[in-house]
Amino acid sequence: AQSVTQPDIHITVSEGASLELRCNYSYGATPYLFWYVQSPGQGLQLLLKYFSGDTLVQGIKGFEAEFKRSQSSFNLRKPSVHWSDAAEYFCAVGPYGGATNKLIFGTGTLLAVQP
Amino acid sequence: EAGVAQSPRYKIIEKRQSVAFWCNPISGHATLYWYQQILGQGPKLLIQFQNNGVVDDSQLPKDRFSAERLKGVDSTLKIQPAKLEDSAVYLCASSLESNQPQHFGDGTRLSIL
Repeated sequence: AQSVTQPDIHITVSEGASLELRCNYSYGATPYLFWYVQSPGQGLQLLLKYFSGDTLVQGIKGFEAEFKRSQSSFNLRKPSVHWSDAAEYFCAVGPYGGATNKLIFGTGTLLAVQP
Repeated sequence: EAGVAQSPRYKIIEKRQSVAFWCNPISGHATLYWYQQILGQGPKLLIQFQNNGVVDDSQLPKDRFSAERLKGVDSTLKIQPAKLEDSAVYLCASSLESNQPQHFGDGTRLSIL
């Protein structure tokens, strides 16, 4: 079955501290992986994506993610968190190519940032 | 460029009533998606259009939900009759083509009383 697991429902970090959000997936075909961020009352904004090539991908707002095929993981990282990063983060997996572009989302990780 | 536009932002109705949501994708985007996001969950795809044709509606509850994209641009999603479990945020997204990243609107928050 295709699924995405984000094991941490809620994380609190201090401003300036490093951050790692975990994502594990189960997908039959070669996955196309995404991280989205959602601020309260808003839609999802794409942070970064990965299909092939360098397994460490850079995104917007200073975020990066590393794809580890052996662990079926695609963890999101940021070296120094800013208060404005407080939001909900969603990992998603989908097919690459073809007519359907159905994304399967995890349940999200809510990030709180302490001053 | 203008983003994905959705209206209304909020809607409150009673169960068994009907409701409709509207979405205008980014100009030139051929693919349009409707997602349902229940509180505490990630978005779930309801339907995907490629131009004015349906590509995937496998998770659309067709006994009460319907969607159309008649001219291949904007789209409407309708629920009739609404049930309590339909309370959710309904997100519209679009992409240039079906294998391109999706861009999301701000959603419509639906509350069923």
